[in-house]
Amino acid sequence: AQKVTQAQTEISVVEKEDVTLDCVYETRDTTYYLFWYKQPPSGELVFLIRRNSFDEQNEISGRYSWNFQKSTSSFNFTITASQVVDSAVYFCALSENSNSGYALNFGKGTSLLVTP
Amino acid sequence: DTAVSQTPKYLVTQMGNDKSIKCEQNLGHDTMYWYKQDSKKFLKIMFSYNNKELIINETVPNRFSPKSPDKAHLNLHINSLELGDSAVYFCASSPGTGFQAEAFFGQGTRLTVV
Repeated sequence: AQKVTQAQTEISVVEKEDVTLDCVYETRDTTYYLFWYKQPPSGELVFLIRRNSFDEQNEISGRYSWNFQKSTSSFNFTITASQVVDSAVYFCALSENSNSGYALNFGKGTSLLVTP
Repeated sequence: DTAVSQTPKYLVTQMGNDKSIKCEQNLGHDTMYWYKQDSKKFLKIMFSYNNKELIINETVPNRFSPKSPDKAHLNLHINSLELGDSAVYFCASSPGTGFQAEAFFGQGTRLTVV
């Protein structure tokens, strides 16, 4: 069963629009971590944020913000005033005590295209 | 200076061959991982390893084997390559063995089996 669901496969926006990438996760653990990674066209995986299960404070970093809601098991990512350089695949991931140790369990990713 | 480095970046080989992908991290991390990214961009854990324990994803064929000569290296050896093994393979590392730390990824190795 998929532990992390990113329902949006592809999103296309025009530059300067705001865009929210959804992430819903599933776990029975009370202690876990959530992550967002960015994979630009060049292919590397870039760490964006880590959030632990006990910290539901929203976080803002420049144009990026994250909304963590345990009540809905969601960890959504918003890009404000999007730019062409934001075009990438974005992955949400969950780390919990599982059969794979503490490895990251990734969602299938959301491909974001920002056009001028 | 690169934190997690993989070699080669590209690998093209014929079916049936045996190949290795090397991974080195200079971060002093305790745990290293191998992930596979398929053609649909889906990232899936293959192995996690520290000096005490190897955890294998049960879906990984036994043709794949991680080899760790020391704490800073975790190489991936693949026997009898098949067409379906074509993918991008990412090495990663994280401090400690717990999940509280982010994973740092290498740049990936694109394996093409022909």
